[in-house]
Amino acid sequence: GENVEQHPSTLSVQEGDSAVIKCTYSDSASNYFPWYKQELGKRPQLIIDIRSNVGEKKDQRIAVTLNKTAKHFSLHITETQPEDSAVYFCAARSFKTIFGAGTRLFVKA
Amino acid sequence: GAGVSQTPSNKVTEKGKYVELRCDPISGHTALYWYRQSLGQGPEFLIYFQGTGAADDSGLPNDRFFAVRPEGSVSTLKIQRTERGDSAVYLCASSLWAGGYQETQYFGPGTRLLVL
Repeated sequence: GENVEQHPSTLSVQEGDSAVIKCTYSDSASNYFPWYKQELGKRPQLIIDIRSNVGEKKDQRIAVTLNKTAKHFSLHITETQPEDSAVYFCAARSFKTIFGAGTRLFVKA
Repeated sequence: GAGVSQTPSNKVTEKGKYVELRCDPISGHTALYWYRQSLGQGPEFLIYFQGTGAADDSGLPNDRFFAVRPEGSVSTLKIQRTERGDSAVYLCASSLWAGGYQETQYFGPGTRLLVL
């Protein structure tokens, strides 16, 4: 069945450093790739997304890249801040959305 | 405007009981999704509706789980003969469907189900 793998499961960075989270997907029909941030006890919130006809998208400190050939996509957060600490989920969608297992990001002040 | 709402926010039940979880999508959103999220895991797809019909129910784990959306708005997820393994946060999301494409999914706050 469809699968999304996400790495690393935990990531600890110093404030101001960059953080990179990587995902791979199995369903070649996937055409939409959202990233969600989830704080403890809260609902997932969309932070950025990319469609399959685009290779890269940036929004302030957050960027996402997509390599359709390799079925890889990545989230890049620059100049990390303590408030970036949360669990981040990647997802891939054809008709239904399949989520990765999440990356717990810790940003140390 | 109002976002996706879910009730109840918490539900505690005993093994073997029947529960209903309700989702109110964003007004005008034709697509509605149910997910289950266990501790430390990503949301797991259960079912999605396009209008009143279930477009894909391949994620429902077994026939104890059933969902309806009779008028194309509010949806109810029904779990019969609950088991301790059903304990999780049940998330609902909704989105527009435009030009043949699903748009961004917006999540509700979830219902935390605990089966004792």
